[in-house]
Amino acid sequence: GAGVSQSPRYKVAKRGQDVALRCDPISGHVSLFWYQQALGQGPEFLTYFQNEAQLDKSGLPSDRFFAERPEGSVSTLKIQRTQQEDSAVYLCASSPYYNEQFFGPGTRLTVL
Amino acid sequence: QQPVQSPQAVILREGEDAVINCSSSKALYSVHWYRQKHGEAPVFLMILLKGGEQKGHEKISASFNEKKQQSSLYLTASQLSYSGTYFCGTDIYSGNTPLVFGKGTRLSVIA
Repeated sequence: GAGVSQSPRYKVAKRGQDVALRCDPISGHVSLFWYQQALGQGPEFLTYFQNEAQLDKSGLPSDRFFAERPEGSVSTLKIQRTQQEDSAVYLCASSPYYNEQFFGPGTRLTVL
Repeated sequence: QQPVQSPQAVILREGEDAVINCSSSKALYSVHWYRQKHGEAPVFLMILLKGGEQKGHEKISASFNEKKQQSSLYLTASQLSYSGTYFCGTDIYSGNTPLVFGKGTRLSVIA
């Protein structure tokens, strides 16, 4: 079956631009997680949802980061006024209730 | 608290064995193991739950010592396809919550 998909796969933004990153989880998966992965590091938690409820956003680095999952399926991570330190790979993972997390291919964001 | 993985990197010849360790300073509910190849998504290998279980997946197995708050991943008779970076992700709650990942162990298998 289809796995987790993310779009775009690559995004180049000029400093100060807003970007929106999309995640399509595996159908029926209750939980959805966003992680940020810097080069040579493990994924770091940003935020997660259970259905449409955002249960934890403690990992979002600043108030420029915002995530939503309005209908409990597709999720969007928005970054306003991008800065160079936002350059990273943004990974989305989905999970059936109380089970392993399946990752998407990620969006590589480069801020110039 | 980020778990500590060791070693940071290892080079193996095909057919050799390796052990990757993951240690936490906090009591763990579960440990998840992933392998990530360059430019690709992390791929789920296995999950170990509180209770000190051991699991196997072909020539890759893992153990979880709850008392020591430590998990080990065992790779036997390594193949070229095993190359990649291995991450452990830890969960201190009751499941299906965000994972805290280690910095990874880079494994290179050469012919």
